[in-house]
Amino acid sequence: GQQVMQIPQYQHVQEGEDFTTYCNSSTTLSNIQWYKQRPGGHPVFLIQLVKSGEVKKQKRLTFQFGEAKKNSSLHITATQTTDVGTYFCAGSLYNDYKLSFGAGTTVTVRA
Amino acid sequence: DSGVTQTPKHLITATGQRVTLRCSPRSGDLSVYWYQQSLDQGLQFLIQYYNGEERAKGNILERFSAQQFPDLHSELNLSSLELGDSALYFCASSVVDGSTDTQYFGPGTRLTVL
Repeated sequence: GQQVMQIPQYQHVQEGEDFTTYCNSSTTLSNIQWYKQRPGGHPVFLIQLVKSGEVKKQKRLTFQFGEAKKNSSLHITATQTTDVGTYFCAGSLYNDYKLSFGAGTTVTVRA
Repeated sequence: DSGVTQTPKHLITATGQRVTLRCSPRSGDLSVYWYQQSLDQGLQFLIQYYNGEERAKGNILERFSAQQFPDLHSELNLSSLELGDSALYFCASSVVDGSTDTQYFGPGTRLTVL
């Protein structure tokens, strides 16, 4: 079945530094979504990308969908302690109802 | 607060038992999704219902079943429980049934099987 792979699994970041997490699929995706789960919390929708090569920004977060619609990235600049949590990407195939979630990137921040 | 409610918040039971988890979607949402999240694991999609009908099935065990009622709330039934079923179970809802819909997650039910 379809699998969405995410790397790295863990990201330890110094406060103020930048980092990127990547999401890859072996098949072309119709769209990709990103969710954030704070420790002890539930996943919360961040953004959806639909178009090839699409780039969207939310303050310090930049999301990108690859030209082939098989990969995506989330780049966070000037990491803050509020960025702690697990970031999941989730993709779906065309004409498929379900989202396949990646395993997530768990981010910890050193002050 | 996503608007999705799940009960109970915590559940502790023994192997071999049966439990029912309940989910109420956001007002107006027709789709309900169930996910299992084990320790240090991602979200495993179990099943989706749309307006009372099963829409998509993931890696749901035969010991598990779900349904969505006319008032759109959903229940996930887990039977013959095993230690490995201990996990966080999330329910999510969305307006319709497309894969481009934003899913709103509930707070989850933490199931512990002893």
